[in-house]
Amino acid sequence: AQTVTQSQPEMSVQEAETVTLSCTYDTSENNYYLFWYKQPPSRQMILVIRQEAYKQQNATENRFSVNFQKAAKSFSLKISDSQLGDTAMYFCAFMKPLDFGNEKLTFGTGTRLTIIP
Amino acid sequence: DVKVTQSSRYLVKRTGEKVFLECVQDMDHENMFWYRQDPGLGLRLIYFSYDVKMKEKGDIPEGYSVSREKKERFSLILESASTNQTSMYLCASSLFASGRSKLFGPGTRLTVL
Repeated sequence: AQTVTQSQPEMSVQEAETVTLSCTYDTSENNYYLFWYKQPPSRQMILVIRQEAYKQQNATENRFSVNFQKAAKSFSLKISDSQLGDTAMYFCAFMKPLDFGNEKLTFGTGTRLTIIP
Repeated sequence: DVKVTQSSRYLVKRTGEKVFLECVQDMDHENMFWYRQDPGLGLRLIYFSYDVKMKEKGDIPEGYSVSREKKERFSLILESASTNQTSMYLCASSLFASGRSKLFGPGTRLTVL
């Protein structure tokens, strides 16, 4: 079974600074997908960024980027120029592709990020 | 604007009651999921469905059942609610295709007294 570990339960950073959230995972699979989801205080979970394991290039979405280290099984999220709207719970998630497409997500325990004005 | 909706944001029930949590998606997604979210535990999968009338157990199915009579609707049923089922319940849906991300509903905060 896959496991996902987020070792930072809470983090805080000043507005406009850069912050990195850590995530490690354990799997014997070679092909899989990794995700970062954001859950703001309003609670709607939204996708931040997605990485395919067979792609060596790190995914980026505007101010959000990942550092994907496949050999180390590490998948950290970097938020640049942090904004007050980035305050949220962030979840790292792993998904193994299955034959019929009904893949299941395995989530980490989350990191509560607070951006300080 | 595509979305996943859940019938209630907050729900308070008594021990032993039968509880229905409803989830509806308007994106014609094949896959639908029910998770519960607890502090320090992240999200854990209760049940999922990849087609009408099809269901599969997730990691913590005990005490729960599900129903999917129509493609757009996936119901979570607590046959006899207990206090340890007090939690946040999140519904999600996705396309029946490899690697797709999931779209989540706003969540239902269930309190069982």
